Amino acid sequence: DAKTTQPPSMDCAEGRAANLPCNHSTISGNEYVYWYRQIHSQGPQYIIHGLKNNETNEMASLIITEDRKSSTLILPHATLRDTAVYYCIVRVVDMRFGAGTRLTVKP
Amino acid sequence: AAGVIQSPRHLIKEKRETATLKCYPIPRHDTVYWYQQGPGQDPQFLISFYEKMQSDKGSIPDRFSAQQFSDYHSELNMSSLELGDSALYFCASSYRGGGQEKLFFGSGTQLSVL
Repeated sequence: DAKTTQPPSMDCAEGRAANLPCNHSTISGNEYVYWYRQIHSQGPQYIIHGLKNNETNEMASLIITEDRKSSTLILPHATLRDTAVYYCIVRVVDMRFGAGTRLTVKP
Repeated sequence: AAGVIQSPRHLIKEKRETATLKCYPIPRHDTVYWYQQGPGQDPQFLISFYEKMQSDKGSIPDRFSAQQFSDYHSELNMSSLELGDSALYFCASSYRGGGQEKLFFGSGTQLSVL
């Protein structure tokens, strides 16, 4: 599976958009980009995934660059409950977590 | 909606003892994953099963074994427990048959080895 690189931590003001970047420069053509988050020792939670097109669901939007070497997860209106560790994973089959981004949403 | 059920929620064992963790996937899910998460660490992939066959193997110690049964539930067996095995163990299930799978995680089993 391709390796991902994420900033270790980010802050965001409540109500503002949170933009979480992920680099995956070695991604191969059939690998999807997945995003999960983990809120304080709870089981990780699926957020969104995509292959090459931008995706949006009720939780977030996923923007994947045209060359697919990076992506951005967007939480459009962050709330305090969005404080969590966010993981970007690229995979074909099994899901392996790397070092994610600890997002802190501040009032 | 039914979720992934893990039992027990908490487990306390002594060094060199054995432990068995159980995972009951969401109905109709065909794949089970096991992860270990130490304090302050990211989840580490241990092993996965697809349709009752081992799918992939991660950093699972030789002292650990796992299997997926005919009813798709899975058990993680841990022997000769060490202090370093103290961690949160997550199970996740998914339906791989559709190609793009989303993992659904249980609440985890907190194992403490004394």
